[in-house]
Amino acid sequence: GQSLEQPSEVTAVEGAIVQINCTYQTSGFYGLSWYQQHDGGAPTFLSYNALDGLEETGRFSSFLSRSDSYGYLLLQELQMKDSASYFCAVRANQAGTALIFGKGTTLSVSS
Amino acid sequence: DSGVTQTPKHLITATGQRVTLRCSPRSGDLSVYWYQQSLDQGLQFLIQYYNGEERAKGNILERFSAQQFPDLHSELNLSSLELGDSALYFCASSGRDSRETQYFGPGTRLLVL
Repeated sequence: GQSLEQPSEVTAVEGAIVQINCTYQTSGFYGLSWYQQHDGGAPTFLSYNALDGLEETGRFSSFLSRSDSYGYLLLQELQMKDSASYFCAVRANQAGTALIFGKGTTLSVSS
Repeated sequence: DSGVTQTPKHLITATGQRVTLRCSPRSGDLSVYWYQQSLDQGLQFLIQYYNGEERAKGNILERFSAQQFPDLHSELNLSSLELGDSALYFCASSGRDSRETQYFGPGTRLLVL
């Protein structure tokens, strides 16, 4: 089966940098995804890493190390609107592209 | 707006009842996924359909069933409802541009009393 571990909560101030870690255990690995969810809203896709290294998209970056079964999401120049839950996810199996999500990390950004 | 629509937005019903949740995927997406989100269980994968066929199953209870129709919309049927089925049910779709990116609908909030 699959399992993912990520911190339950992270707090930071506006303008700061925060890193949300994710470690995973999977029977097969097909990439690590990150989703953002504002309170009561729908999850929205942030990034996907299939290979080792850093992927940068604006203020957000995502890193993967397959040998360590580890990834992180890096959020820079934090803004109040970044306050949300962040989920890492892996593919459920080879046949489908459904996702298994971690429990989520709640990020609170204060001024 | 993700392009995925779900109806209804809210549903209040009683234990033992049956409900149907509806999802229309983004135009061009062939895959539809159903997820359940509750406070204690987080975001859990239920079932995936691809172009009308069941592709993968997750933690879907036997009381729940789903199908995808020829026009690619999908329905999730929940029967013999229990208090613990109260949750947010999301539909997501993928495939038109990237099979790894899932686009989530706004969800249906189900409350079983």
